[in-house]
Amino acid sequence: AAGVIQSPRHLIKEKRETATLKCYPIPRHDTVYWYQQGPGQDPQFLISFYEKMQSDKGSIPDRFSAQQFSDYHSELNMSSLELGDSALYFCASSPRGRLAEAFFGQGTRLTVV
Amino acid sequence: AQKITQTQPGMFVQEKEAVTLDCTYDTSDPSYGLFWYKQPSSGEMIFLIYQGSYDQQNATEGRYSLNFQKARKSANLVISASQLGDSAMYFCAMREKNNNDMRFGAGTRLTVKP
Repeated sequence: AAGVIQSPRHLIKEKRETATLKCYPIPRHDTVYWYQQGPGQDPQFLISFYEKMQSDKGSIPDRFSAQQFSDYHSELNMSSLELGDSALYFCASSPRGRLAEAFFGQGTRLTVV
Repeated sequence: AQKITQTQPGMFVQEKEAVTLDCTYDTSDPSYGLFWYKQPSSGEMIFLIYQGSYDQQNATEGRYSLNFQKARKSANLVISASQLGDSAMYFCAMREKNNNDMRFGAGTRLTVKP
């Protein structure tokens, strides 16, 4: 069965650079969530999209932006990267209204040096 | 306000024994779902088990079962016959139907001892 695909799996950037993370949800899943998990931390909710519209916003810095495209894939854009942005970034997808289905991608490990 | 609370930062269990990982939650949404995920050292988030707020019976998936006590707002994960490969971080999460968000607890690090 198709799963949530995230790319790239690993990314190394320098301070003040930009990064773009991509998430391809499971087919027919219309909701995408983004999470940031720092070392030894629980996943922190950043932002979610439903049907290409932002549906909820968490602790996402102003330097970050995200969108969901017509094919339901989503991109998280991160600018002016800081050392503290080094983390594992997860994307999850689910069909709205079907609570039981929420699956995660394997994550993108971002390292800012 | 914290919606998901996992009060056990770390737990130890002897191989082949059962262990219970605690999770309490807070919501005013009558329709919600509770999830448990396992995160090994490799970092991936592995879905284990799901319990819906309207489910009459406790969820079970192989060696995993969920002790759902709705009135107490608790959803504890029970792992039976622990294996060395069960050593990992375990996260409880909740998804509320009305606001469509999904939030996590702080996690419990389980160590299975041989």
